[in-house]
Order: sequence, then structure tokens, then C-alpha cells
Amino acid sequence: DAKTTQPPSMDCAEGRAANLPCNHSTISGNEYVYWYRQIHSQGPQYIIHGLKNNETNEMASLIITEDRKSSTLILPHATLRDTAVYYCIVRVYSGGYNKLIFGAGTRLAVHP
Amino acid sequence: DAGVIQSPRHEVTEMGQEVTLRCKPISGHNSLFWYRQTMMRGLELLIYFNNNVPIDDSGMPEDRFSAKMPNASFSTLKIQPSEPRDSAVYFCASSKDRGFGNTEAFFGQGTRLTVV
Repeated sequence: DAKTTQPPSMDCAEGRAANLPCNHSTISGNEYVYWYRQIHSQGPQYIIHGLKNNETNEMASLIITEDRKSSTLILPHATLRDTAVYYCIVRVYSGGYNKLIFGAGTRLAVHP
Repeated sequence: DAGVIQSPRHEVTEMGQEVTLRCKPISGHNSLFWYRQTMMRGLELLIYFNNNVPIDDSGMPEDRFSAKMPNASFSTLKIQPSEPRDSAVYFCASSKDRGFGNTEAFFGQGTRLTVV
């Protein structure tokens, strides 16, 4: 299974962009990168995913390097409510089925 | 849609008792996952169902744990007998997928289990 490496914690000022890095150097050509976040005591929440191209939705942008060995999640204007643990996941596809294996994540603290 | 519904939200039980956790996935979803979260081990995938069939139960810690999905709208995770080290938050998630493509898994709010 492709593994991911994320910094354990990061800080960001409210209103500024939060850039969360992730390394996935062993990713296979057909494996997607997913980002989830978990706000304290809640279930993980889907943010965004991508394969090769950069992606953007109403929550965030995902930048994937050309070699696909790393990616960056960008929260363009972080708010206090974005304080959470952010998980970068490489979706495992095996035997015709998918599963999401979570790592330790990055604990993002957004401060005033 | 109400999302993934788990019950109970909190459960406190004595060591040795049987515990049953319940999950109702989102209607139309064909994949269901059970996860366990602790401070020490983070989020661990316990078992994965597709079309009500257990596909991968390699994460189930031991024989005391069992999971069933009798139909597309209901799943249970049972621990018998329960032990203090089973104390954790148990999450259920569902998604609509098979193969490549979008796999946006939706999580329930979890069941916080405390075994004393």
C-alpha cells in the first residue's frame, strides 16, 4: 500500500492561505490522492481528491506534482473553523475494490 | 439524506459484556466501512463490505470482533466479550463505488465506547 508522509502539525493565521503538504513517493499510476479532515469529536469529512491534474472545489484546491510523488492541499482563506486534523490518503485499489487507509495526519491550528 | 447514522452515540459497558454497534449507510451506497479510532493507533480500518459481502476483514483485531451486513441498509459490529482496551470511537462510513472513479466516503458521527 502506498504510504503518505505529512507534518504532524502546522499553524496558520486566520484569513491567510493554509498550504498542507503530503509526500506519497510510492504511489502507483492508478491510485488517487484523497484529502479528508476531522474536526474534534466528529467523523472525518471529505475535502477533495485527484489523480494527476490539479483540482479545485468550494472547500479547497489540490496541487499534485507532475511526478505525482507529492501534493499540497490549499485552503485559500483559512478560518478558525478550519482548525482540524487533515489526512492525506492514497486510495488503495485491490482486487477490484477500494479502501481508504488513514495515516496520522496534520493537525492544523488556525489562530486569530 | 440524513447521512450515515450510527447508534448508540455513547456506550459504557462492563468488561466481559457483549456490545453491539449499529450503522445505517446512506441509501444507494454499496460500500460500507467500519473504522476504530484511538489516540495511540489513530484511525484503523476494521472491515469493508461491498454489496453486503465482507471483502476485507484483515483489520479486525481478533475473534472477539464480528461484523455483519444482513441487507443494504444495516450493519452491525459486535464485540464479545468486551475488554477495556476496546475503548475507542468506532466510525461507520459508506460510499457508492466499485473500481476506479469517485469514492467519496461519508462518515457517521461515531460511537464512543467505554469498557470499564
